[in-house]
Amino acid sequence: DAMVIQNPRYQVTQFGKPVTLSCSQTLNHNVMYWYQQKSSQAPKLLFHYYDKDFNNEADTPDNFQSRRPNTSFCFLDIRSPGLGDAAMYLCATSGGQGGLWETQYFGPGTRLLVL
Amino acid sequence: AQSVTQLGSHVSVSEGALVLLRCNYSSSVPPYLFWYVQYPNQGLQLLLKYTTGATLVKGINGFEAEFKKSETSFHLTKPSAHMSDAAEYFCAVTRTLTGANNLFFGTGTRLTVIP
Repeated sequence: DAMVIQNPRYQVTQFGKPVTLSCSQTLNHNVMYWYQQKSSQAPKLLFHYYDKDFNNEADTPDNFQSRRPNTSFCFLDIRSPGLGDAAMYLCATSGGQGGLWETQYFGPGTRLLVL
Repeated sequence: AQSVTQLGSHVSVSEGALVLLRCNYSSSVPPYLFWYVQYPNQGLQLLLKYTTGATLVKGINGFEAEFKKSETSFHLTKPSAHMSDAAEYFCAVTRTLTGANNLFFGTGTRLTVIP
């Protein structure tokens, strides 16, 4: 089945130690998104890629970066994780036809714990 | 600016009872509205969406929602709750991005189904 895969499902890192979360998709979608979801809060968009074009949300901290080496893979890099970065990170994709009605397909998420 | 408000962070219903999850939206333009469901330790899955046309939208698993412009509401209903409906439900409105769309999520409603 076509899907969005996130690895690892759980990640523990130390304060200030760089960490990378990965996302892959078999849907061949143009757009890939990264959302941050803190406990009992709504998911919040960090950034997205439309093909190779990177688009950062204005309030996304500089500590968060992303890479998309090809259509299938996208990475979220946290350069110096702080305690406040502990959250669920959700990857999503959409076809990218530009419609507001497009469905986004989500992966299962990676739960990040910062010690 | 677009936003959604979900009334009630927790809703409990008995198995077989009506499920009603409330969502009100704010949008300066005609909205595109979504309901997503998140089961424990899983990603978000689209239940249904409203774009244009018929205001009563039917989704998966017996859920439906009605778009009411006069009330700025998009409440989610299901006539008879099943144990498997226990999950977190998110209402979302979208805004356009370059070639993509951004989902603005509500804070979610956790549905508990009592046997």
